[in-house]
Amino acid sequence: GESVGLHLPTLSVQEGDNSIINCAYSNSASDYFIWYKQESGKGPQFIIDIRSNMDKRQGQRVTVLLNKTVKHLSLQIAATQPGDSAVYFCAENIIGFGNEKLTFGTGTRLTIIP
Amino acid sequence: DTAVSQTPKYLVTQMGNDKSIKCEQNLGHDTMYWYKQDSKKFLKIMFSYNNKELIINETVPNRFSPKSPDKAHLNLHINSLELGDSAVYFCASVGVSGNTIYFGEGSWLTVV
Repeated sequence: GESVGLHLPTLSVQEGDNSIINCAYSNSASDYFIWYKQESGKGPQFIIDIRSNMDKRQGQRVTVLLNKTVKHLSLQIAATQPGDSAVYFCAENIIGFGNEKLTFGTGTRLTIIP
Repeated sequence: DTAVSQTPKYLVTQMGNDKSIKCEQNLGHDTMYWYKQDSKKFLKIMFSYNNKELIINETVPNRFSPKSPDKAHLNLHINSLELGDSAVYFCASVGVSGNTIYFGEGSWLTVV
């Protein structure tokens, strides 16, 4: 399943399928991007990050893709599991400014259907 | 061990009351934050403290007053609570060399 980011705040995916969550960021000067996962009743949790000198970074079952030309970021989750159900936020930042420029997107709710 | 802990987790209070939320981090981080998350899950920074000094104050009403007695603690006091203050408030921290913010579990504030 695939979301179109800010315009589709919910995404439902069958367990075992891959999911793609999209995010359009706003500041062309941003050079550091992070994905956070927020489970119900909990705080956001770091998943993966990427710097602007890269266009792809992989973690365990997750891959982040960055397209600076169109200011687009995506999070791919492979072989989704029920525990992946959560709200996912992208965040953009500028390295060197501490976290003064850290800005969160509005989030996408991912629901994994058993 | 909880890295960033905040209390209380749930708080229901009447309009006009004054309340505080406390936060402690045991990560040895120098910078701590308060974020507000509204009903639509939008996360917005309120305050940032570095080693007990205020760094960021993002146009928050002065009814909100953060206090940092030491770099491991950042408390948030709210005076004259209003209905619009109902939200989830997250404390967070980050180390000197890192860009990764660690969040607490949140404090659910409901003003009635």
